[in-house]
Amino acid sequence: QQQVKQSPQSLIVQKGGISIINCAYENTAFDYFPWYQQFPGKGPALLIAIRPDVSEKKEGRFTISFNKSAKQFSLHIMDSQPGDSATYFCAASSSNTGKLIFGQGTTLQVKP
Amino acid sequence: ETGVTQTPRHLVMGMTNKKSLKCEQHLGHNAMYWYKQSAKKPLELMFVYSLEERVENNSVPSRFSPECPNSSHLFLHLHTLQPEDSALYLCASSQWTSGNEQFFGPGTRLTVL
Repeated sequence: QQQVKQSPQSLIVQKGGISIINCAYENTAFDYFPWYQQFPGKGPALLIAIRPDVSEKKEGRFTISFNKSAKQFSLHIMDSQPGDSATYFCAASSSNTGKLIFGQGTTLQVKP
Repeated sequence: ETGVTQTPRHLVMGMTNKKSLKCEQHLGHNAMYWYKQSAKKPLELMFVYSLEERVENNSVPSRFSPECPNSSHLFLHLHTLQPEDSALYLCASSQWTSGNEQFFGPGTRLTVL
């Protein structure tokens, strides 16, 4: 019940395309859903996060869509650029514990 | 720079060695974390410290021993490790532990021979 399942494991997108990464969770106590971006040789960095009181959050080219009833959330990267090539992790936590549970990660490659 | 530094960046050690990883945060946070990142696996939380007190030990073998002397510094002492312990060890910090952004350091790439 503590797992966060992320898909796909890897993704190749052409420059200018839309990248979509999906995550699903089981624990209904989760109330914080961040996405992290990790470049080689660096630690993960927070990209965007959402709480379940809204169904969508947009920051620039990055959008989180959240479906509370389905217990799913996804990251959309619009107009994908080669500089977006990185590994993306979804995560979830509850206010009770603050413990972040991470998905397995998606390696995104954006081809020029 | 995220405000979280880790040293060394790379470490190669034999199974009988003793070494320590160091993490320092310059963000004024009061919670610090150790994670293990292995290929093809989710980040695994190892330890959580809040105000220098260990609040979580995620069933980590005793060959890993954390130390948090103050809210800015976190150590991971290593001894008699196994080759399967080879991984990227990440330190993170946050303002409190509950639902707040965690800032990660660049990690220490550990290889156990």
